[in-house]
Amino acid sequence: AQKVTQAQTEISVVEKEDVTLDCVYETRDTTYYLFWYKQPPSGELVFLIRRNSFDEQNEISGRYSWNFQKSTSSFNFTITASQVVDSAVYFCALSEARGNDMRFGAGTRLTVKP
Amino acid sequence: DTEVTQTPKHLVMGMTNKKSLKCEQHMGHRAMYWYKQKAKKPPELMFVYSYEKLSINESVPSRFSPECPNSSLLNLHLHALQPEDSALYLCASSQKAGDGYEQYFGPGTRLTVT
Repeated sequence: AQKVTQAQTEISVVEKEDVTLDCVYETRDTTYYLFWYKQPPSGELVFLIRRNSFDEQNEISGRYSWNFQKSTSSFNFTITASQVVDSAVYFCALSEARGNDMRFGAGTRLTVKP
Repeated sequence: DTEVTQTPKHLVMGMTNKKSLKCEQHMGHRAMYWYKQKAKKPPELMFVYSYEKLSINESVPSRFSPECPNSSLLNLHLHALQPEDSALYLCASSQKAGDGYEQYFGPGTRLTVT
């Protein structure tokens, strides 16, 4: 069965600091997909990125970057020069190719203080 | 336009009431989902509809009854709920079910059962 672990329950940083959110996953499938979502206080889950298991290239989008390492079953998310607006709960999720469902990790609550 | 709408935003209902949550998407997606999210927890999958047919029911109690009238609409009918059913109910859609398509979420309905 698929499983996603986000060991960091809460992280607090000061604005402009860099912060990395960890995600470790388990799956028996060779084809799978990993996601990151952001949930601000308003409650809506915002899609950030999707990665398939065959694409280990790291990705950068503005201040956001993702590091996918199959050898350690990790898909970590780094925010560079954090801003107060980055304060939210961030979820890592996993979907297996043969399934119709997506399983979320427990989430990491990030607080960025001015 | 990646938008999923949900109504109502807030709902308070007694344990003997019958109410419905509504979800709509106009992205041409053929998969739609209901999730339940308790405070400080990740979303939990309830139902998956693929091409307007129910494909996953995660052992949800029968007091929750989903309905997919067409490819753009998804309803969740509620009857005889319990106080522990109070939660944020999130609707999502994706291009297809499975194959790792990213899901787009609505803002949610915050349900309180009294």
